[in-house]
Amino acid sequence: GAVVSQHPSWVICKSGTSVKIECRSLDFQATTMFWYRQFPKQSLMLMATSNEGSKATYEQGVEKDKFLINHASLTLSTLTVTSAHPEDSSFYICSARDLQAGGSVTYEQYFGPGTRLTVT
Amino acid sequence: AQKITQTQPGMFVQEKEAVTLDCTYDTSDQSYGLFWYKQPSSGEMIFLIYQGSYDEQNATEGRYSLNFQKARKSANLVISASQLGDSAMYFCAMRGEYNFNKFYFGSGTKLNVKP
Repeated sequence: GAVVSQHPSWVICKSGTSVKIECRSLDFQATTMFWYRQFPKQSLMLMATSNEGSKATYEQGVEKDKFLINHASLTLSTLTVTSAHPEDSSFYICSARDLQAGGSVTYEQYFGPGTRLTVT
Repeated sequence: AQKITQTQPGMFVQEKEAVTLDCTYDTSDQSYGLFWYKQPSSGEMIFLIYQGSYDEQNATEGRYSLNFQKARKSANLVISASQLGDSAMYFCAMRGEYNFNKFYFGSGTKLNVKP
């Protein structure tokens, strides 16, 4: 159980175009999903918290107009990188919390397999 | 603010031996959770083990155990009987008391298991 998928697993796009990445919880409902960015050989940095039915909460320094997040259902959140540039090339990982495990003391997050974005 | 420090960028261990990956943390929260994740080259983050700040016993999950020393603010991961498949990046992470959703990650340790 607790499987999170991401699509696509990798994408190459030209500078100036937009790219959409999907994050799905396959066997559980997630009112909250999280988007992380990981540069090569670096740690994960939280970009934003995606809340179902409401606006996402962005971390300091993350441009909300550039990284559009939509969480339209309890199983799907999308991240759209608008007007992508080479410096946006990175590994984007989403995670989700199981709504039914809300009482769990661990508050564990389940991670997707990641999406590698390359902007040329 | 929370801070996680992993001081070992890379580690080597002989197959079948035990290895300890270091993690120290800094927080003013009274209640917090500590996690270890494994990230193989494929990129997925695999949850390994959890330790709550009020847990009196060290957490164990199969070959993984967490050496929790609260006074020293350390949460080292011990992998016993290393296997070749253990070669990966390992991240220590922490969530605080007031925002259960926000995880703070360390910089990671690259573990290489030698045959």
